[in-house]
Amino acid sequence: QKEVEQNSGPLSVPEGAIASLNCTYSDRGSQSFFWYRQYSGKSPELIMSIYSNGDKEDGRFTAQLNKASQYVSLLIRDSQPSDSATYLCAADMDTGRRALTFGSGTRLQVQP
Amino acid sequence: GAVVSQHPSRVICKSGTSVKIECRSLDFQATTMFWYRQFPKQSLMLMATSNEGSKATYEQGVEKDKFLINHASLTLSTLTVTSAHPEDSSFYICSATPQGKVHTIYFGEGSWLTVV
Repeated sequence: QKEVEQNSGPLSVPEGAIASLNCTYSDRGSQSFFWYRQYSGKSPELIMSIYSNGDKEDGRFTAQLNKASQYVSLLIRDSQPSDSATYLCAADMDTGRRALTFGSGTRLQVQP
Repeated sequence: GAVVSQHPSRVICKSGTSVKIECRSLDFQATTMFWYRQFPKQSLMLMATSNEGSKATYEQGVEKDKFLINHASLTLSTLTVTSAHPEDSSFYICSATPQGKVHTIYFGEGSWLTVV
């Protein structure tokens, strides 16, 4: 069964610190990876997508992909209390189909 | 603003009745839309793929006769939960990808279903 694994947390970091969120996936053929942020009771919102090995930066967020290790991470710099949410890692395991397999999510708490 | 709209955002229905949830792409056409379900404190689970003009395909363990999907146009997919039971209470979310934009996935705002 194709899976995406995340630590459920909570991950607690102080305001201004770097939050590091990690994810592994089982299907070596997966090509596209996504990080979503979900506030309680709301639909997930896309933070970053990444398709190539290496780092991709967008503002305070950096996504990292290592296909050899089947590992995806998200770094949040200068964490803010408003970043407190559940972060979902997702992979497009049927390439081109656009249906996503989600991890269980990591709850992040940024302490003011 | 939202590019994929769901309606209703919240619905309460009595056990045994049916409820329809709409997923509409607002400014693009989508031959395929996806329906997910999320139980409290759990992740999104893919339920089914909605295909415009043809039958939906369902993930393992999802009852096709209970969750009826209709994708009658390139901008609208509907999910009907038939003979709803309290265990069907969940957050239902759809997603869609514009034709020709393979790396873009839009999610709807979600629909909370409570069956009493």
